[in-house]
Amino acid sequence: KNEVEQSPQNLTAQEGEFITINCSYSVGISALHWLQQHPGGGIVSLFMLSSGKKKHGRLIATINIQEKHSSLHITASHPRDSAVYICAVCPVVGGSEKLVFGKGTKLTVNP
Amino acid sequence: EAGVVQSPRYKIIEKKQPVAFWCNPISGHNTLYWYRQNLGQGPELLIRYENEEAVDDSQLPKDRFSAERLKGVDSTLKIQPAELGDSAVYLCASSLGGTDTQYFGPGTRLTVL
Repeated sequence: KNEVEQSPQNLTAQEGEFITINCSYSVGISALHWLQQHPGGGIVSLFMLSSGKKKHGRLIATINIQEKHSSLHITASHPRDSAVYICAVCPVVGGSEKLVFGKGTKLTVNP
Repeated sequence: EAGVVQSPRYKIIEKKQPVAFWCNPISGHNTLYWYRQNLGQGPELLIRYENEEAVDDSQLPKDRFSAERLKGVDSTLKIQPAELGDSAVYLCASSLGGTDTQYFGPGTRLTVL
């Protein structure tokens, strides 16, 4: 079992829909990252969370440390949001510098 | 400010050939990471540098992979000889260290024929 599990693996939405991507992890962490990867490989960091909630534009990320769960929400989705969204955690054991990645959620937003 | 720079962006080689990737991190970032990402998977750490010292290379296949960061800035990752299973995207990232945000380069997509 992977230490970081994301769901769903693939998600197709219509433009304007509200989207939620989930991430569950099994280890104690010092921080959780949400990353966006577009075709071609480049990865962009969206959020780093250790508690609560963060918002940037149409993106909202929440984390529940007790439940070991985080969600990434996209409001009013747009075709340019189509990408792979990756959850990554910094485990407390093994050094906080090491990121453990989920397999990603491939999002396709159709016009 | 320039981000993490990697070259080449794409590389196609035959098996048993050598290959090298280059990374220039963000200026001032002491920590540099090399990741390998297989299709449909998340990135996996190969090696982490703090300045010029490799502080975590436990996942680097040392029989064929090597890396260096001689002056604590640019880094190269080498595979010799390449195998079919090495086909992947090789990502470089840098950060100020600790749990600070890692900034990723565009990656090098390697195809081994």
